[in-house]
Amino acid sequence: DIQMTQSPSSVSASVGDRVTITCRASQGISIWLAWYQQKPGRAPKLLIYAATSLQSGVPSRFSGSGSGTDFTLTISGLQPEDLATYYCQQANSFPLTFGGGTKVEIK
Amino acid sequence: VHLLESGGGLVQPGGSLRLSCASSEFSLSDHYMDWVRQAPGKGLEWVGRTRNKANSYTTEYAASVKGRFIISRDDSENSLYLQMNSLKTEDTAIYYCAKVWGSYYDYWGQGTLVTVSS
Repeated sequence: DIQMTQSPSSVSASVGDRVTITCRASQGISIWLAWYQQKPGRAPKLLIYAATSLQSGVPSRFSGSGSGTDFTLTISGLQPEDLATYYCQQANSFPLTFGGGTKVEIK
Repeated sequence: VHLLESGGGLVQPGGSLRLSCASSEFSLSDHYMDWVRQAPGKGLEWVGRTRNKANSYTTEYAASVKGRFIISRDDSENSLYLQMNSLKTEDTAIYYCAKVWGSYYDYWGQGTLVTVSS
């Protein structure tokens, strides 16, 4: 199985800050990676797919980068509504696996 | 609401439960569909997949549920099911159905809570 390791597990930042979350795969997954946002009590929402592509309707302050084993989600200009937990997911092979999540808090 | 799950509840260890996922927006037979679960306060775990009608509704399962859980469909009801047998306390979670778009999930249901406890 491919293990997905996210860091940090939590981050606290101020409105307007740049926030970076990393995800590392235990083996190469090319660009078969997605990022999801999960707000408290809600289902996850797709933000980024194929490592760098922004899902329709998602604000442009969200961006993704990386390929192979190392990936990054960046929030450029944190907003209060970005309070959530963010998960990476590999779609390279079964079983599909998720990272442990990064909780983003607003200072 | 694009996807709506139902059927969750409290069940004893060793018991069975069937979850449903219905859609009034999509013809589910056209799409690959997955079940994903989330234990209370924990992260997301993929449970299984059913491919679309064109791919004979073939399935894949996580090792943790293989042999105990079965994914099926009813095209006449435009629904997807997760039959869960031999339930364990560690199966306690919110269960989501999710529509597969390419290799990712573009729509999720609101989830249904399954609690396995004596």
